[in-house]
Amino acid sequence: QSVLTQPPSASGTPGQRVTISCSGSSSNIGDNFVYWYQQLPGTAPKLLIYRSNQRPSGVPDRFSASRSGTSASLAISGLRSEDEADYYCVTWDDSLSGYVFGTGTKVTVL
Amino acid sequence: QVQLVQSGAEVKKPGASVKVSCKASGYTFTSHYIHWVRQAPGQGLEWVGIINPSGGDTGYAQILQDRVTMTRDSSTSTVYMELSSLRSEDTAVYFCARDIVVTAAHNSAALDYWGQGTLVTVSS
Repeated sequence: QSVLTQPPSASGTPGQRVTISCSGSSSNIGDNFVYWYQQLPGTAPKLLIYRSNQRPSGVPDRFSASRSGTSASLAISGLRSEDEADYYCVTWDDSLSGYVFGTGTKVTVL
Repeated sequence: QVQLVQSGAEVKKPGASVKVSCKASGYTFTSHYIHWVRQAPGQGLEWVGIINPSGGDTGYAQILQDRVTMTRDSSTSTVYMELSSLRSEDTAVYFCARDIVVTAAHNSAALDYWGQGTLVTVSS
């Protein structure tokens, strides 16, 4: 069981905005950067966000993220069919002295 | 171009060990950390550990630290992840991935290039 909790699923229609939460504690999100990944079926994860709110080059600005206290969130605006995937948050945990992934959220485009 | 190419699928019996390789190319091998991440069938991602190819220092997930060993061979630009005392719960796809951060700085979880994954199946 992960120390980072995400909702199992989220959905929206094309063009809508979807938000995914990642809940942690003071030993992880509260004190460290958060990263977000997108994983399409059968493929390796793709980095979407680093240092809590920075996008690598090539990631559309439809993807944005924030961190507040012991929680973080990823927002997808202007939802598109190709956004249908699993999304994971990850951060360092001071107590575990290692990185921890969130439980993952499956996004469905209706 | 940056590439991480992993070794092929493995089938092992419980109690055995497995060693997965990850050969890097297209960049200076010692300049970026390499992480290992695994994913059990139908499950989420799990961080396994990290190696600094420059100094060889490592860090492992607490739940695996007694059974996992990561090494590197700079002559072939290859990192290895060995997992011992295998159990059925270790059945997973194991990925290696490159950290964006250079080894002169503190590591991160910003993994920009990934290997294709290696399926390790543990079954009697």
